[in-house]
Amino acid sequence: NAGVTQTPKFQVLKTGQSMTLQCAQDMNHNSMYWYRQDPGMGLRLIYYSASEGTTDKGEVPNGYNVSRLNKREFSLRLESAAPSQTSVYFCASSDGSGGQGNSPLHFGNGTRLTVT
Amino acid sequence: RKEVEQDPGPFNVPEGATVAFNCTYSNSASQSFFWYRQDCRKEPKLLMSVYSSGNEDGRFTAQLNRASQYISLLIRDSKLSDSATYLCVVNSGYSTLTFGKGTMLLVSP
Repeated sequence: NAGVTQTPKFQVLKTGQSMTLQCAQDMNHNSMYWYRQDPGMGLRLIYYSASEGTTDKGEVPNGYNVSRLNKREFSLRLESAAPSQTSVYFCASSDGSGGQGNSPLHFGNGTRLTVT
Repeated sequence: RKEVEQDPGPFNVPEGATVAFNCTYSNSASQSFFWYRQDCRKEPKLLMSVYSSGNEDGRFTAQLNRASQYISLLIRDSKLSDSATYLCVVNSGYSTLTFGKGTMLLVSP
């Protein structure tokens, strides 16, 4: 009964370092998403993958890249971390049964990233 | 007008009270609406979908007003465990969902 699993839970990076956030879901969902959440800003979409083999930019894609490795896994990469990327990152998935953007999202536990 | 707007609160209510939140959205073409609950330092969790005819789940009632472009959440007989941030979520007419910034509810003994 894992649902959406994100790793790591916490990470501290220095400016300029790179890292990949991993996300996997076991619900056989077609769509996967990466959000960031900052105080006073709410949840903002970074990238999403409507189905295996496709990825699209969201509201705040700059400084990030994604890979939909297979139907289960969707990773988020920071190539050169900046302090502005300090945030809580959430991965989510949906089955897309109501059409894209009409199905509720299931979230992972989040990754707390600090860039110094 | 922002896509999805909520009063940030906090709403401070005693146990047993009834409390209501509204959320306005800007895109008249929006088709899907949800309420999520987020506890401090946790992930958002789906509370309920909002249907055109309104829907109820125990102490929670959600309604949609398309003419005025808002959705509402009513919580009856508030419990201490209802303390959380409630997020309004709307399909913005594209292939993704847009989140409001949330309304904080604090239920006190």
